[in-house]
Amino acid sequence: GENVEQHPSTLSVQEGDSAVIKCTYSDSASNYFPWYKQELGKGPQLIIDIRSNVGEKKDQRIAVTLNKTAKHFSLHITETQPEDSAVYFCAAITLGDSSYKLIFGSGTRLLVRP
Amino acid sequence: GAVVSQHPSWVICKSGTSVKIECRSLDFQATTMFWYRQFPKQSLMLMATSNEGSKATYEQGVEKDKFLINHASLTLSTLTVTSAHPEDSSFYICSAPGTGSLINYGYTFGSGTRLTVV
Repeated sequence: GENVEQHPSTLSVQEGDSAVIKCTYSDSASNYFPWYKQELGKGPQLIIDIRSNVGEKKDQRIAVTLNKTAKHFSLHITETQPEDSAVYFCAAITLGDSSYKLIFGSGTRLLVRP
Repeated sequence: GAVVSQHPSWVICKSGTSVKIECRSLDFQATTMFWYRQFPKQSLMLMATSNEGSKATYEQGVEKDKFLINHASLTLSTLTVTSAHPEDSSFYICSAPGTGSLINYGYTFGSGTRLTVV
């Protein structure tokens, strides 16, 4: 089955700096890679996703890159702000697979220092 | 977009009692609902997959008699923690995949339920 590894587990950056979180996956059949932001006491919120037919996707200060050959994908947050502080999870899934199970990484706790 | 409403947001119950958590898809039909459990500072652990009109599929190590899942309609799935004990205290979250025109919304999560068993 799929296995997703995420690094780092914690990340502290100065406001305005960039933050990068990396994930690797094991199942080459995975074709959908979402990123979620979870604030304390709340459910995860989808912030960006990428499908296997593209290598990069950007939405304002957030971007995701995908390297299918190496089976890794990364989240990039530029011009970080204190409100970006949260736990971020990557995930992988094979859309169209009957199991439809989202496999999550272990999470990265991002702290943006003002 | 796709919205999943989860209730209650938090509940405190006495040991030995049962607690029901509800998840409703508000603007789409959720034929499948995933139930996750999350311990403090840990990732989401998939407990079970519920499918409308059929029995839920439980992940290895999850007691199906303890965590009863019912998915009686296309918009409602429930998780009942039976005979709760302090070790069942956790954050429970449901999630439904978008379908049809909402498929590009990916998986939508409920807001979570903080269960504390005393």
